[in-house]
Amino acid sequence: RKEVEQDPGPFNVPEGATVAFNCTYSNSASQSFFWYRQDCRKEPKLLMSVYSSGNEDGRFTAQLNRASQYISLLIRDSKLSDSATYLCVVLNSGYSTLTFGKGTMLLVSP
Amino acid sequence: DAGVTQSPTHLIKTRGQQVTLRCSPKSGHDTVSWYQQALGQGPQFIFQYYEEEERQRGNFPDRFSGHQFPNYSSELNVNALLLGDSALYLCASSFYLGADRQETQYFGPGTRLLVL
Repeated sequence: RKEVEQDPGPFNVPEGATVAFNCTYSNSASQSFFWYRQDCRKEPKLLMSVYSSGNEDGRFTAQLNRASQYISLLIRDSKLSDSATYLCVVLNSGYSTLTFGKGTMLLVSP
Repeated sequence: DAGVTQSPTHLIKTRGQQVTLRCSPKSGHDTVSWYQQALGQGPQFIFQYYEEEERQRGNFPDRFSGHQFPNYSSELNVNALLLGDSALYLCASSFYLGADRQETQYFGPGTRLLVL
């Protein structure tokens, strides 16, 4: 089983749609989780951290279910500018190295 | 405030050659991590440098080596290049807060390596 698994993409949605990305992780001892966004041919950029209580940043909501080892990202009212690859990321204990999922590509069309 | 910088931006090499990639961390950061991102995949951790020492290493062969300088900048060296080494190589910097403390990593724009 891969350490971090994400929905295979791409997701094609119209502007204004709500889209959800799912991710599972294998190491039950993992403590910190993130969603990164990566635009085509660019570096990954931190989108948001994921907390057990769930957290929201504008149109973006992240949830963590430790019992199921499951992480989600919800994007409401999709914009064209949301088109990118979304990477689910787990922080490894010890020295802050990151384990990335394969990424899920989102294409938002007019 | 300069972010993480990497050089060169692009590189073409042939099989068997050696390559050196460079990274300058964000101002104030002391830790540099290197990642390899193959096409269509997420980044994979190669190794991490702190206080000029390799502190952690991912599942990469010894052909991959690195160095960190007193000014915290870092190099990634790959010997005996294989076609499969073609990838985007990302450098990320952070400030070490202590074991098991969460640090935000900031990524550079990457070096795109093509091995022919």
